[in-house]
Amino acid sequence: TQLLEQSPQFLSIQEGENLTVYCNSSSVFSSLQWYRQEPGEGPVLLVTVVTGGEVKKLKRLTFQFGDARKDSSLHITAAQPGDTGLYLCAGAGAGSYQLTFGKGTKLSVIP
Amino acid sequence: DSGVTQTPKHLITATGQRVTLRCSPRSGDLSVYWYQQSLDQGLQFLIQYYNGEERAKGNILERFSAQQFPDLHSELNLSSLELGDSALYFCASSVGGIGNTIYFGEGSWLTVV
Repeated sequence: TQLLEQSPQFLSIQEGENLTVYCNSSSVFSSLQWYRQEPGEGPVLLVTVVTGGEVKKLKRLTFQFGDARKDSSLHITAAQPGDTGLYLCAGAGAGSYQLTFGKGTKLSVIP
Repeated sequence: DSGVTQTPKHLITATGQRVTLRCSPRSGDLSVYWYQQSLDQGLQFLIQYYNGEERAKGNILERFSAQQFPDLHSELNLSSLELGDSALYFCASSVGGIGNTIYFGEGSWLTVV
């Protein structure tokens, strides 16, 4: 069973601060996705990374896939209250139809 | 709005009962996925259907079953319900399988009392 560990589990920061959340596994994934989930809604895909070492930027969000494709990080610059939510990483093994999700990092950005 | 429609949004039922959750995928999507989200287990993959056929099975209990109909909508049947089945159940859809973006519905909150 492929497991994804996300850290920290909870994060509360002030508006304008920077933060990084992590997604780690002992397994290799063919691709890794990051989702954001807001209360009362389903997860929404933010980005997919597929190449070891890949870095993708989405406005103030920077996503990195580890060289060995076992881990990933999400860095948010100058966090805003609108960034508040549950951030989930999910990995797909080679040839697998299943996405394995981490338990998420619950981010609160305080105005 | 993801385009994935789930009903009901909330459901309260007693232990031992049976419920059916329904899902209409996005127009054009052939794959339907069911996930269970609980506080302690996170988001767990249950099952996937593609164009009416079961494609992948995850941590789905034998008390649970699902199907995808010719019009591509799907139902998740949960029977002999236990307190521990209380969770948020998500349906998601995609054009194909892994590699395609998966779109989640808003979920069905099931509370078993």
